Amino acid sequence: EVQLVESGGGLVQPGRSLRLSCAASGFTFDDYAMHWVRQAPGKGLEWVSGISWNSGSIGYADSVKGRFTISRDNAKNSLYLQMNSLRAEDTALYYCAKGRAILTGYSHPFDYWGQGTLVTVSS
Amino acid sequence: EIVLTQSPGTLSLSPGERATLSCRASQSVSSSYLAWYQQKPGQAPRLLIYGASSRATGIPDRFSGSGSGTDFTLTISRLEPEDFAVYYCQQYGSSSLIFFGGGTKVEIK
Repeated sequence: EVQLVESGGGLVQPGRSLRLSCAASGFTFDDYAMHWVRQAPGKGLEWVSGISWNSGSIGYADSVKGRFTISRDNAKNSLYLQMNSLRAEDTALYYCAKGRAILTGYSHPFDYWGQGTLVTVSS
Repeated sequence: EIVLTQSPGTLSLSPGERATLSCRASQSVSSSYLAWYQQKPGQAPRLLIYGASSRATGIPDRFSGSGSGTDFTLTISRLEPEDFAVYYCQQYGSSSLIFFGGGTKVEIK
């Protein structure tokens, strides 16, 4: 059974940093692209960042480019999101999601999602 | 940047009725790289349709997707009680960016 478990969320002041983690199990992690998607309270979905199976291809939404960094550790079956210079508008539930296609770039639909970790940016 | 506009914002229907949801892209979506997701309150989204018309694993055949270019449709042939939820379309594959539409809420009339 595929499982994605996010952690690392919490309350943080504007301008500070936070690192999210996603622990994956139930599939061959290093065969698939992974993503972060966020959802502000009461709002829709926003893709944040994606990374290919071998970290060779990475993308970011314009809203986070230059502030957020995605990475993965295939030996630990883990995905990360380093978030710097946080703003109030980054407040959201952050989901980790698995790409559907094997051994390709990251731009594919997401077939499994975690339950999310909440990030609140406020003074 | 591709903008995905979903309509209507809210669809009020009764169980057993047919639901037709629209997703319009601001520019052509390459190779029908369009997906649909369902999200229920307090839950993560679930992939329903990819490649505009292919059902994901385990999705009932009352869900179908169609369209190409800039106009796409998700149809639920006969609404079941568990189908009342928010539905999102997603564009992927044609660039380094991935976009979601704003969502359509299907509510019980």
